[in-house]
Amino acid sequence: NAGVTQTPKFQVLKTGQSMTLQCAQDMNHNSMYWYRQDPGMGLRLIYYSASEGTTDKGEVPNGYNVSRLNKREFSLRLESAAPSQTSVYFCASSDSPDLIGYTFGSGTRLTVV
Amino acid sequence: GQQVMQIPQYQHVQEGEDFTTYCNSSTTLSNIQWYKQRPGGHPVFLIQLVKSGEVKKQKRLTFQFGEAKKNSSLHITATQTTDVGTYFCAGTNSGYALNFGKGTSLLVTP
Repeated sequence: NAGVTQTPKFQVLKTGQSMTLQCAQDMNHNSMYWYRQDPGMGLRLIYYSASEGTTDKGEVPNGYNVSRLNKREFSLRLESAAPSQTSVYFCASSDSPDLIGYTFGSGTRLTVV
Repeated sequence: GQQVMQIPQYQHVQEGEDFTTYCNSSTTLSNIQWYKQRPGGHPVFLIQLVKSGEVKKQKRLTFQFGEAKKNSSLHITATQTTDVGTYFCAGTNSGYALNFGKGTSLLVTP
């Protein structure tokens, strides 16, 4: 049972480049989330998908787009990367509506130069 | 919007000492969850508290949820080097997504 799988694990982008972070879960969870983690800032919600077919903005959505491709997959896209988007990105899933215990992926460490 | 604040930001203890981190919300929470993140790792769910005044224990860890459901604490008795990491509280009043505190980083020296 893999849980939540994120790819890639590491990525270096040049300013202005685009990329998509992939996330897939095999727990049949309804809800999926994208967080970014910066030193001293904790985990900040970028976007979430409460159920298949729906997506909503979180605390820091600017510069990002998401796609809930199906129940398993939730991708995060950076259209034009900026140095301020250098961060560690975590995908998580949970079985709504109780929200008991998010399961996190291992993260993507992104550097924008 | 809802804010979840956590103190202290850092704590350095000698092995065997106790440790406590506190979490406060600006609004009433429907539940509060605690996570642990080891250095270089990802957050791992520890526990959820739902009821006002609830207390739960996991071995040396004691979790409390305040009577007003706006604050919580995690207490570790007799810390061990395996307790090293960052402890996050997270809560919600919307039912859609968790808001995480900034975490307390615990360093335990032998």
